[in-house]
Amino acid sequence: GAVVSQHPSRVICKSGTSVKIECRSLDFQATTMFWYRQFPKKSLMLMATSNEGSKATYEQGVEKDKFLINHASLTLSTLTVTSAHPEDSSFYICSANSGTSQPQHFGDGTRLSIL
Amino acid sequence: ELKVEQNPLFLSMQEGKNYTIYCNYSTTSDRLYWYRQDPGKSLESLFVLLSNGAVKQEGRLMASLDTKARLSTLHITAAVHDLSATYFCAGFQGAQKLVFGQGTRLTINP
Repeated sequence: GAVVSQHPSRVICKSGTSVKIECRSLDFQATTMFWYRQFPKKSLMLMATSNEGSKATYEQGVEKDKFLINHASLTLSTLTVTSAHPEDSSFYICSANSGTSQPQHFGDGTRLSIL
Repeated sequence: ELKVEQNPLFLSMQEGKNYTIYCNYSTTSDRLYWYRQDPGKSLESLFVLLSNGAVKQEGRLMASLDTKARLSTLHITAAVHDLSATYFCAGFQGAQKLVFGQGTRLTINP
């Protein structure tokens, strides 16, 4: 149980393109979803936390206009990287839980490469 | 604000040997997680430690938590090549936020 599906697993696109990444909880209702970014050989950094039906809470230093997060239902959150540039290339990982203090279940990650 | 520090950051060891990864955290965290990450992959949950003195074991891995020392350890017994990966510990800040350590890249050589 507690499966989180992330799609796509890999994206390669040109600079200036907007890219949407989906995160779905397949067998539970995700009251909260989390978006992380991981640079090569580095740790995970939380970008934002989103609750269903509410605006996302962004961590300090994360541009909310660059990284648009939508959590429209209890099973789906999306991260849109707008007007992506090479410096946005990274590994993006989502996670979800079913309530406060519940364990987070991680998706398989999306490797984004901007040319 | 919670800060989590792991050491060592890199560990190369031989099969059959034992070793310990240390995870120190700066402020109170009511739980401590350990994760494994293989190259190019996402995180795999290994352990969650919820109270002082908690010890959990799975195969050759054993994790423990000392909340008074703000220290968790991940002990590897008789290492095998399949355990080569990056291991992260993470503390819990507030009600929802995971704060990760830098990761320990473990390489086990035959």
